[in-house]
Amino acid sequence: DVKVTQSSRYLVKRTGEKVFLECVQDMDHENMFWYRQDPGLGLRLIYFSYDVKMKEKGDIPEGYSVSREKKERFSLILESASTNQTSMYLCASSTGTGVGGEIDTQYFGPGTRLTVL
Amino acid sequence: AQSVTQLDSQVPVFEEAPVELRCNYSSSVSVYLFWYVQYPNQGLQLLLKYLSGSTLVKGINGFEAEFNKSQTSFHLRKPSVHISDTAEYFCAVSKFNDYKLSFGAGTTVTVRA
Repeated sequence: DVKVTQSSRYLVKRTGEKVFLECVQDMDHENMFWYRQDPGLGLRLIYFSYDVKMKEKGDIPEGYSVSREKKERFSLILESASTNQTSMYLCASSTGTGVGGEIDTQYFGPGTRLTVL
Repeated sequence: AQSVTQLDSQVPVFEEAPVELRCNYSSSVSVYLFWYVQYPNQGLQLLLKYLSGSTLVKGINGFEAEFNKSQTSFHLRKPSVHISDTAEYFCAVSKFNDYKLSFGAGTTVTVRA
């Protein structure tokens, strides 16, 4: 079974703090993703990575950065947390490059519910 | 860019009744289509996906969906629901040669006895 783990289920931080959210997958997947989930908005892609040290911005990258130093680990960083970043954060991973029309399933972690006070 | 519209935000349904969750998409190119389910306090898991071939796709837990290209729809159905189907359901789309997904806003299904 594919397993995607996230470092915390619940996290409470203060405005202005630097926040690290960690994600680890155990299936040697090339692609990893960070989403935020808000009621009525579904999931929105923040950043994704298709290889070690490679990253691309998603739909809502402002206020976030990412790091991928090892294939199995993808970190989301909030440089200076703000209250509007209170949300559920979901990490996912998948294999495949999309070449030739093939696409593989994204596997999700359980999520981290972040509250910024 | 593609977008996804889930037409119902909340669907209450009685146990053993059928349910249909509606999903429409817009895209200028061919797409792949997915339905994911999120049970309370869990991450998302894949119910089913349409890549090509037969337009009727069967998934896990008795769910199925039908791709209708002319209507740009991918509605999810189950003929008889259980209490355990209470969850949030997300429709998602990606375009060919792209592994990024665009998600709809989600539909919350509440099954009552």
